[in-house]
Amino acid sequence: EDKVVQSPLSLVVHEGDTVTLNCSYEVTNFRSLLWYKQEKKAPTFLFMLTSSGIEKKSGRLSSILDKKELFSILNITATQTGDSAVYLCAPNSGYALNFGKGTSLLVTP
Amino acid sequence: DGGITQSPKYLFRKEGQNVTLSCEQNLNHDAMYWYRQDPGQGLRLIYYSQIVNDFQKGDIAEGYSVSREKKESFPLTVTSAQKNPTAFYLCASSMRRESTGELFFGEGSRLTVL
Repeated sequence: EDKVVQSPLSLVVHEGDTVTLNCSYEVTNFRSLLWYKQEKKAPTFLFMLTSSGIEKKSGRLSSILDKKELFSILNITATQTGDSAVYLCAPNSGYALNFGKGTSLLVTP
Repeated sequence: DGGITQSPKYLFRKEGQNVTLSCEQNLNHDAMYWYRQDPGQGLRLIYYSQIVNDFQKGDIAEGYSVSREKKESFPLTVTSAQKNPTAFYLCASSMRRESTGELFFGEGSRLTVL
């Protein structure tokens, strides 16, 4: 059975802090791993990772995949209140995305 | 603008009633998906369709039904057999049949059973 475990489940930080969100997975026929940000309704796409060790960056966000250890992390530096959201990790097994429960991040002023 | 439209955004129903949630996309995507989200939970896959006139059960298909008669439309019916239908429902699509890429999501439909 496919498994996706995200940690921590929730996190409260102050503006300016750096956070690391974790995602471990066990899926058959692994193709890629995607990260999404969900603020109120529709999740919005952040990154898609297919190769180990290659960091993807977008502004203050970055992510990396370790296919040997079946692990991915999402880093957010210099957090802002607008980063408050649920961050979802989703490995792709070829027919659909398997989502973790998400990490709920609250950034306080 | 291209995108995915879900309707209605909010829906109330009485126990024992079937209800159909609409999902339309104009992205010309092959594959479409329905996910359910409960508080504190991730998204769980209900049904998916990789091509017109074909669909597959996801992890929690019991009590739901779908159809895919047109490429752009993938309605979800929540039947009275679904024991716990109150939830947030998200429809998504992806470009290719094998979803190695990004899913695009609609804004969701929130169903409350009274």
